[in-house]
Amino acid sequence: AQSVTQPDIHITVSEGASLELRCNYSYGATPYLFWYVQSPGQGLQLLLKYFSGDTLVQGIKGFEAEFKRSQSSFNLRKPSVHWSDAAEYFCAVGVQGGSYIPTFGRGTSLIVHP
Amino acid sequence: NAGVTQTPKFQVLKTGQSMTLQCAQDMNHNSMYWYRQDPGMGLRLIYYSASEGTTDKGEVPNGYNVSRLNKREFSLRLESAAPSQTSVYFCASGRGAQHGYTFGSGTRLTVV
Repeated sequence: AQSVTQPDIHITVSEGASLELRCNYSYGATPYLFWYVQSPGQGLQLLLKYFSGDTLVQGIKGFEAEFKRSQSSFNLRKPSVHWSDAAEYFCAVGVQGGSYIPTFGRGTSLIVHP
Repeated sequence: NAGVTQTPKFQVLKTGQSMTLQCAQDMNHNSMYWYRQDPGMGLRLIYYSASEGTTDKGEVPNGYNVSRLNKREFSLRLESAAPSQTSVYFCASGRGAQHGYTFGSGTRLTVV
């Protein structure tokens, strides 16, 4: 069965520091991949997506993610975190050629210290 | 502003009561989805509608029904609410799941 793992429940960083949030998946076929962000009391907002092509994907708010097929990973990165980046981050993975409905990870809560 | 609108934002129900959660989108999307979000569980798909006139079960459909009223509207009904249905419910829409979703701001439901 397909699965998505976000190994870190919470991540704490200082403002201005770099950030990497991990996402691993277990799929037999070519995946397509998303990262979403959820601010407190809000719905989810799409940060970026990978479907094909260049494995380094740029998104909104200065985020990027890299698809590494050999490691079954799609980690989210930001070079310098701002206090407003404090939120819940969700990775989602689907299978190309299937129903396309993605499976969401359980989320990583980002805490930003001043 | 274009987007996904959910009503109500908050609701408290007694066990056994029924209610309908409303969702409307104005982006001309074909696909619409209902998710529930519980602490530590991420988002779990309840039902989805790939296009007007079709609906399909997701991961956790028991205790729920849906109606795709037209291309814009997709409602979720709880016929007899149970405490296990206490959750935050999100509606989403998209051109297709592979393109990513636009989410509503959610309905926080408490069943006592």
